[in-house]
Amino acid sequence: RKEVEQDPGPFNVPEGATVAFNCTYSNSASQSFFWYRQDCRKEPKLLMSVYSSGNEDGRFTAQLNRASQYISLLIRDSKLSDSATYLCVVNRKGAGNMLTFGGGTRLMVKP
Amino acid sequence: GAVVSQHPSWVICKSGTSVKIECRSLDFQATTMFWYRQFPKQSLMLMATSNEGSKATYEQGVEKDKFLINHASLTLSTLTVTSAHPEDSSFYICSGQPGQALVGYTFGSGTRLTVV
Repeated sequence: RKEVEQDPGPFNVPEGATVAFNCTYSNSASQSFFWYRQDCRKEPKLLMSVYSSGNEDGRFTAQLNRASQYISLLIRDSKLSDSATYLCVVNRKGAGNMLTFGGGTRLMVKP
Repeated sequence: GAVVSQHPSWVICKSGTSVKIECRSLDFQATTMFWYRQFPKQSLMLMATSNEGSKATYEQGVEKDKFLINHASLTLSTLTVTSAHPEDSSFYICSGQPGQALVGYTFGSGTRLTVV
């Protein structure tokens, strides 16, 4: 079983739609959680950190459920520019603070 | 914000030659840098952890003699792909941590290596 699992998609949605991505992680020692965005042939860029209390940044809402070891990302009012691959990323303390990446979920927003 | 400068952006080399990739942290000191590899349609896979002033730590299955890592200063880490072969063609990317763990990591812009 992969340490961080995501539905690879692709998710094809129309502009203005609301879309949700899910992610599960297997290591209960995981401490920090992030969503990164990666455009084709580019480096990943931090979208937002994820906290147990849930956090929102504009049209993006991230949630963490430590008991279920589940992370989610909700995108409201999708824009064409949201088309990218979204990476669920987990930081595990005690392993050199290294990041473990999920396989990514590809989103395609269409006019 | 924190910036990691990675060069070159892309390189094409002949099989059997060596290629050096540089990553510099421009506005923070990176005691540790991470090197990843990404094959098409796959996620980033950690290759090694580069520690300033000491030997790198390699992930299982990554040949340390083939992928030489040097981290001689707090702002520079290099990855040298020695005797490159077509199967080494990939997207190589480094990352550093500018602050505390909760802040996340900053990535270089990546190097697309094609070995012909």
